[in-house]
Amino acid sequence: DAGVTQSPTHLIKTRGQQVTLRCSPKSGHDTVSWYQQALGQGPQFIFQYYEEEERQRGNFPDRFSGHQFPNYSSELNVNALLLGDSALYLCASSLPQHNSLHFGNGTRLTVT
Amino acid sequence: SQQGEEDPQALSIQEGENATMNCSYKTSINNLQWYRQNSGRGLVHLILIRSNEREKHSGRLRVTLDTSKKSSSLLITASRAADTASYFCATVPLGQTGANNLFFGTGTRLTVIP
Repeated sequence: DAGVTQSPTHLIKTRGQQVTLRCSPKSGHDTVSWYQQALGQGPQFIFQYYEEEERQRGNFPDRFSGHQFPNYSSELNVNALLLGDSALYLCASSLPQHNSLHFGNGTRLTVT
Repeated sequence: SQQGEEDPQALSIQEGENATMNCSYKTSINNLQWYRQNSGRGLVHLILIRSNEREKHSGRLRVTLDTSKKSSSLLITASRAADTASYFCATVPLGQTGANNLFFGTGTRLTVIP
């Protein structure tokens, strides 16, 4: 039973560039959430996708966008990267009636 | 800003001892959850306690919740070196169902010395 998988595991980008991160949810899950975790901090909610639509969004600028595909996998896109976007980006999956999340191991993004 | 604050920020104990970490939050909640994160890895759900519950147990874990003080504690008994990790509390706001938007605290870094 595959858990949540994320790719790539590490990524280095330059300021101003764009990046796409990918996530496959745990088998049987249809809801995907994205979190940003800065070094030494707790995760912060970016947004959640369900039925291919953004269901809820945290306090992140429009530079952060996402997509969910019919197979429930998801992408997180960040445009015009800033140094402050350097963080661990975590994907988590669940079912709508669930109260807890299953997390992937994240993508470590470094912006130079 | 994040919903919760964990205390202490870091904790170092000997194997076999108990570890207690605390979480305070700001607004009314539906439930509170604890997660563990090994270095550089994803978070793993440990236990959930609902707002109408005061105490819950799961194996070596004991969680308490005091909604009047907006605080929770996580006790790990008979700690093991494998318990070394960061521990986060996360709250689901009152009125919200499901795991739509968890508000995570800043975490407690636990080191268990063999």
